[in-house]
Amino acid sequence: KNEVEQSPQNLTAQEGEFITINCSYSVGISALHWLQQHPGGGIVSLFMLSSGKKKHGRLIATINIQEKHSSLHITASHPRDSAVYICAVRLIGGTYKYIFGTGTRLKVLA
Amino acid sequence: GAVVSQHPSWVICKSGTSVKIECRSLDFQATTMFWYRQFPKQSLMLMATSNEGSKATYEQGVEKDKFLINHASLTLSTLTVTSAHPEDSSFYICSARDGNELRSYEQYFGPGTRLTVT
Repeated sequence: KNEVEQSPQNLTAQEGEFITINCSYSVGISALHWLQQHPGGGIVSLFMLSSGKKKHGRLIATINIQEKHSSLHITASHPRDSAVYICAVRLIGGTYKYIFGTGTRLKVLA
Repeated sequence: GAVVSQHPSWVICKSGTSVKIECRSLDFQATTMFWYRQFPKQSLMLMATSNEGSKATYEQGVEKDKFLINHASLTLSTLTVTSAHPEDSSFYICSARDGNELRSYEQYFGPGTRLTVT
């Protein structure tokens, strides 16, 4: 079992739909990142969370430390949101190492 | 927000040659930088951790003589893939940790470099 699990692995949605991507982890963490990776490979950091909820435009990220779970929501999805979304957790302690989920491949159809 | 850049964004090289990838923190001093590798449809895997002015710490299974890491300044780390082979073709990503306690030692990811060895 991976220490960081994402679901679903693949997701196809129609433009305008509300999308939720989940991340569960089994290790102690000090922070969690949501990253977006476009087909060309470039990575964009969307959010860094250590508690609660953050919102940026149409994106919302939440984390529940007790349940070891985070969600990334996309409201009013658009084809340009098509990408791989990766959850990365920073391990607790002084190493600042990250463990990455395998990603959720999202395709939004026009 | 803080920015980390990588150069080049993509590179094609011939088998047997060496390739250098740069990772720069543009508006903060990075006491620690990390290098990751991503094979197609797989997770990013940590290759090594580099601290400014000291030798890099490599993860198990990563050849330190093949993947040379230099962190010569607080804003620049380089990864050199020596004697590259087609199996080294991958996506290489760096991240940089802000050395400022007031900014909670936040870590930022670079956009990545795609290496293709022919």
